[in-house]
Amino acid sequence: EIVLTQSPGTLSLSPGERATLSCRASQSVSSTYLAWYQQKPGQAPRLLIYGASNRATGIPDRFSGSGSGTDFTLTISGLEPEDFAVYYCQHYGSSPYTFGQGTKLEIK
Amino acid sequence: EVQLLESGGGLVQPGGSLRLSCAASGFTFSSYAMSWVRQVPGKGLEWVSAISGSGGSTDYADSVKGRFTISRDNSKNTLYLLMNTLRAEDTALYFCAKMECGRSSCQSPPKNWFDPWGQGTLVTVSS
Repeated sequence: EIVLTQSPGTLSLSPGERATLSCRASQSVSSTYLAWYQQKPGQAPRLLIYGASNRATGIPDRFSGSGSGTDFTLTISGLEPEDFAVYYCQHYGSSPYTFGQGTKLEIK
Repeated sequence: EVQLLESGGGLVQPGGSLRLSCAASGFTFSSYAMSWVRQVPGKGLEWVSAISGSGGSTDYADSVKGRFTISRDNSKNTLYLLMNTLRAEDTALYFCAKMECGRSSCQSPPKNWFDPWGQGTLVTVSS
């Protein structure tokens, strides 16, 4: 089983700042099979990024994904008020399709 | 517009059973694999089970293997999760999700991301 570890657990930033969220895998993951999701309170997760760097339909270009091997990053440039939420990474290349424990992005 | 609507959650005693449903619309249901994912309130996401578009292939997390059964009725555009021998640790919000691959047909997991997700149905296992 691939274990995904996200850091930091909580990130406190102000609107307009740049957020950098990390996802580290316990073994090498094909970048083709790494996704990022956003979840707001009381809502279902929403796909942001698939294939490590491809934005999902309707996702603003301030969201970008990068990385390979065991280290992946979600960057949000110029935080908007609606971006404060919990973010999860996930690998989907093989079962079980594990998720990271999440990074909470909160308003400073 | 793709829509997924879960139902069937509720309060059940330990050792009991429950069947969840996920009604799908807005896409060719039989062309896509589907999954169930759960989330303990306030906690993270845990993949539970997946099924191929035809229903002929299924997969489970170790935590539910042998107790849960995923199935689908493509004539009714509906995904199911039959949960037996429920435990307190199964208490969670259960989401269904379409497994997407960027093509018009994504029949077989793995290698499919989850998009979109339904709003979830809450299962509480307690005496």
